[in-house]
Amino acid sequence: GEDVEQSLFLSVREGDSSVINCTYTDSSSTYLYWYKQEPGAGLQLLTYIFSNMDMKQDQRLTVLLNKKDKHLSLRIADTQTGDSAIYFCAESIPQAGTALIFGKGTTLSVSS
Amino acid sequence: DAGVIQSPRHEVTEMGQEVTLRCKPISGHNSLFWYRQTMMRGLELLIYFNNNVPIDDSGMPEDRFSAKMPNASFSTLKIQPSEPRDSAVYFCASSLGQNNSPLHFGNGTRLTVT
Repeated sequence: GEDVEQSLFLSVREGDSSVINCTYTDSSSTYLYWYKQEPGAGLQLLTYIFSNMDMKQDQRLTVLLNKKDKHLSLRIADTQTGDSAIYFCAESIPQAGTALIFGKGTTLSVSS
Repeated sequence: DAGVIQSPRHEVTEMGQEVTLRCKPISGHNSLFWYRQTMMRGLELLIYFNNNVPIDDSGMPEDRFSAKMPNASFSTLKIQPSEPRDSAVYFCASSLGQNNSPLHFGNGTRLTVT
């Protein structure tokens, strides 16, 4: 079955890099996503990676995918206090159609 | 673009009452999803529709839960009768329904059942 696991909390200082990790179990995942949730709001898509890619960079965000270990990470360079939020890893798998399976989310706290 | 619109934002009700949550997807999107978020279980997919047809409702927890999509611009999630353990934030999301179509989420309905 499908399962997406994330660590629950991460605390960093402003200006440092943040690395949020995620593991998934379904090797048939086609796309993997990172979403961000700010307080009182819905989830917003940050970035995604296709399963045949190893890395994707988008401004301050770097996504690394290790398909062999089923491990996905999101690196935020020069973390700002505005990056404080909950970050969700999600996978798209054929048996779920166009729905996504989400992890429980990692709460990122950035201190100044 | 108005985004996905959910109503109400907050709902407080007593155990046993019927609750109806509403969602208006983004115009042109043909897939609609209902998720429930709790601290214990995170984000759970309840049900999703393609072209107004329910595709997978295996995540609906019990017969007390039902969802409809009478047309492309409106969906409801109903709980009857509601119980305290139904307290959660319920999100609606929509997408174009193709591979790698991102999900666009509404701001959610926070439900409290006392």
